Amino acid sequence: DTGVSQDPRHKITKRGQNVTFRCDPISEHNRLYWYRQTLGQGPEFLTYFQNEAQLEKSRLLSDRFSAERPKGSFSTLEIQRTEQGDSAMYLCASSPNLNTIYFGEGSWLTVV
Amino acid sequence: ELKVEQNPLFLSMQEGKNYTIYCNYSTTSDRLYWYRQDPGKSLESLFVLLSNGAVKQEGRLMASLDTKARLSTLHITAAVHDLSATYFCAVDAGTASKLTFGTGTRLQVTL
Repeated sequence: DTGVSQDPRHKITKRGQNVTFRCDPISEHNRLYWYRQTLGQGPEFLTYFQNEAQLEKSRLLSDRFSAERPKGSFSTLEIQRTEQGDSAMYLCASSPNLNTIYFGEGSWLTVV
Repeated sequence: ELKVEQNPLFLSMQEGKNYTIYCNYSTTSDRLYWYRQDPGKSLESLFVLLSNGAVKQEGRLMASLDTKARLSTLHITAAVHDLSATYFCAVDAGTASKLTFGTGTRLQVTL
C-alpha cells in the first residue's frame, strides 16, 4: 500500500513521559502536515512542511511539541512531558499539490 | 480567524430519504474539501471544490460550492445505511493547504 503511514497506531504513556510519532508520506509528496483531533471535534492544524522546511506552526504547538522532517521524506512529531490534555489522535497528511490531501490512519495517544 | 460551521451537528435519517448538510465559512477561500470519517478511523477524501458554482457528485453524494455566500452543501440522495459516518467540511484559506475543519456532522442512517 502506498498511502500515508503512521507509527505507532496506539500509544499509552504516563504523564510526564516523552512520546514520538513517525509519519511516512506518500512517495514524492513534498507537502506534509500534522493535525490533532480530539473526540467529537474536527482535526486542528499543527504544522506544515514543504520538503524539509517547516513553514508554518499553529499556536497549538506549544514548546513541548516539536516536529521534524530531516530529509524531506518521513517526519516525526515529539511531545515532551506529556499532559493528559495531549490525549488525542495525531493525524499526518501529505500532498503533491494544493488540491489533494491524503490523511494517514492516525496515531492515538492516551496519557494516563 | 477563519471559522467553519456545519449544521446540523447530528442527523438521523431513514434509508431512502434525502437530506443536505450545510457548511458555512467566514473568509474568502478558493478550496473547500469534504471528508468522511468512520469511528476510530482516519479521514477519507470525498470531494474537492475549487471554484464558485462547482458541483461534484459521487454515488449518492453531491457537493456544491457558492463562494459568494461562503457556503457549501453536501446533499445525500436516497440514503443507505453504509453512509452512516461523520462528515467534515474543511476550508483552505491560504496558499499551503492549511485546512480549517468544521465540527463535523454525524450522520446516522436507520433501516
